[in-house]
Amino acid sequence: EVQLVESGGGLVEPGGSLRLTCAASGFTFSNAWMTWVRQAPGKGLEWVGRILRQSDGGTTDYAAPVKGRFAISRDDSKNMVSLQMNRLKVEDTAVYYCSVGLGKSDTDFWGQGTLVTVSS
Amino acid sequence: DIVMTQSPDSLAVSLGERATIKCKSSQSVLHTSVNREYLGWYQQKPGQPPKLLIYWASTRESGVPDRFSGSGSGTDFTLSISSLQAEDVAVYYCQQYLSTPPAFGQGTKVEIK
Repeated sequence: EVQLVESGGGLVEPGGSLRLTCAASGFTFSNAWMTWVRQAPGKGLEWVGRILRQSDGGTTDYAAPVKGRFAISRDDSKNMVSLQMNRLKVEDTAVYYCSVGLGKSDTDFWGQGTLVTVSS
Repeated sequence: DIVMTQSPDSLAVSLGERATIKCKSSQSVLHTSVNREYLGWYQQKPGQPPKLLIYWASTRESGVPDRFSGSGSGTDFTLSISSLQAEDVAVYYCQQYLSTPPAFGQGTKVEIK
């Protein structure tokens, strides 16, 4: 059974930093592309970024609003993906979901999400 | 970037009646080398993460009731719920995953009339 468990969310002041992690199990992590999606309170889904598997170069891509501030990394030895968020803004407040594509779409399975609140 | 637009933003349907949601992409989402439409549909119930319902525009995910169906090609797609059940109350999103950034539609809220 595929499981994705996010952690690291919380309250942070504008301009601050936060690191989210996602622990994965139930599939071959090293073969998977991992994606972060966020959802602001009462709003729709917004793609944040993605990291490809090492065999595809481990390339990262980011949405325009977070490019240059957020960084995605992966540790295949621990089956974990991380989202480092710097220079946080109030508009980054959202539930952040970790997801994985396993050959059907980019986001076949989703974690339960972790809430990030950026406020002074 | 490809932009996804859903319609309507919300709809209310009687139990047992059909619900139809449209999704339009600003460019084709056809992956020509494999001849598949890179379009997915997701269901999100309150307080839960999204759940994949349909991929490649028309392939139902395992375990999804057959009252859910997806159709369409090129830039125009449809999600249909043939006989709405109470447990289908949710927000539904389409997403293209042909090109980066993968984009979601704004969502369609389905309620019981």
